[in-house]
Amino acid sequence: QVQLVESGGGVVQPGGSLRLSCAASGFTFSSYGMHWVRQAPGKGLEWVAFIRYDGSNKYYADSVKGRFTISRDNSKNTLYLQMNSLRAEDTAVYYCAKDLGLYDAKYYFDYWGQGTLVTVSS
Amino acid sequence: EIVLTQSPGTLSLSPGERATLSCRASQSVSSSYLAWYQQKPGQAPRLLIYGASSRATGIPDRFSGSGSGTDFTLTISRLEPEDFAVYYCQQYGSSPLAFGQGTKVEIK
Repeated sequence: QVQLVESGGGVVQPGGSLRLSCAASGFTFSSYGMHWVRQAPGKGLEWVAFIRYDGSNKYYADSVKGRFTISRDNSKNTLYLQMNSLRAEDTAVYYCAKDLGLYDAKYYFDYWGQGTLVTVSS
Repeated sequence: EIVLTQSPGTLSLSPGERATLSCRASQSVSSSYLAWYQQKPGQAPRLLIYGASSRATGIPDRFSGSGSGTDFTLTISRLEPEDFAVYYCQQYGSSPLAFGQGTKVEIK
């Protein structure tokens, strides 16, 4: 069955950096686009970034553009999110989510990981 | 940028009752590219509906979606105890992808 397991969250100071990972299994990772979605404590969902199945296209929310970088290693079945210049408002649970579309992205999410908490605080 | 507004914020109902959740978009959602998710406390969201009205794999038929353009509805025909949760709509017809703020369905 499809499994997505995030890691790398923690406490970081404002202006700091963190790299999140998402280990995927149970499906052909290299055939699907992947997303990061975040949820601030007690708040709703916010889409963060998308990467095409082959890494050739990447899209970002305006709130993270220029600070966050999404990437993937299809040989390791792993998705990444490099987060730089972190701000208090980036505090959230970060979920990786699988796009439903095979090769051709659909831009909605059929499987989600359990999330990893990132706290930006001094 | 499309903004999604969900109403009501909280719906207080009893098991067996019908739930009607609304999602209104600030602009027309192209090709009815709208999805609904359910989220329970401490869990990741689960896909319920895509394409405004198509149920995802394994979703019971008491969940149904309808609507087009700017007005969409998620209906739960008869609430089961496990249906009490927060529900989010999401549009994927234009960039950036956007979610509504959520509707909480709580036990009355």
